[in-house]
Amino acid sequence: DAGVTQSPTHLIKTRGQQVTLRCSPKSGHDTVSWYQQALGQGPQFIFQYYEEEERQRGNFPDRFSGHQFPNYSSELNVNALLLGDSALYLCASSLGLADEQFFGPGTRLTVL
Amino acid sequence: KQEVTQIPAALSVPEGENLVLNCSFTDSAIYNLQWFRQDPGKGLTSLLLIQSSQREQTSGRLNASLDKSSGRSTLYIAASQPGDSATYLCAVGGSYIPTFGRGTSLIVHP
Repeated sequence: DAGVTQSPTHLIKTRGQQVTLRCSPKSGHDTVSWYQQALGQGPQFIFQYYEEEERQRGNFPDRFSGHQFPNYSSELNVNALLLGDSALYLCASSLGLADEQFFGPGTRLTVL
Repeated sequence: KQEVTQIPAALSVPEGENLVLNCSFTDSAIYNLQWFRQDPGKGLTSLLLIQSSQREQTSGRLNASLDKSSGRSTLYIAASQPGDSATYLCAVGGSYIPTFGRGTSLIVHP
């Protein structure tokens, strides 16, 4: 049973560029949440997708956008990258909006 | 706005000790509380999930309790081992966005 997978594992971009991160949920899960984790901090909630719609959103600017596909996989897009966007981006999946979350290994984004 | 605090921020103990990690939250209207473990630079591993109607959950050497009325949860680790060294995070889910604490960094030395 495959767990949550994320790609790529590492990414280096320059300021102003755009990036797309991908997530495949655990088998049987239909809800995907994205988090940003800066060094030494707890994960910060970006948004959550269920039934291909954004259901909840944290305090992140519109530069952060997402999508969920019919197979429940998801993408996180970040436009006009800033140095402060450098972080570990985590994807979590669950069955429904308030169930136990399972996390992927994360994507380490470095913005130069 | 929900706020989650974890105490202590860091802990270093000899192998074999029993440990208590604390998590407090400001809004008691929660759906659940989940404890995670995170190794450096890695993703989060789910340890225990406590639903709002439950008081505690156990898995092996781990026991987590929840007191909604006082806004507190504790994670008890029995007979700690060097392999338990990691950062432990609690997350609270409710009608607001999921909220994490900053974690407790644990080192268990032989």
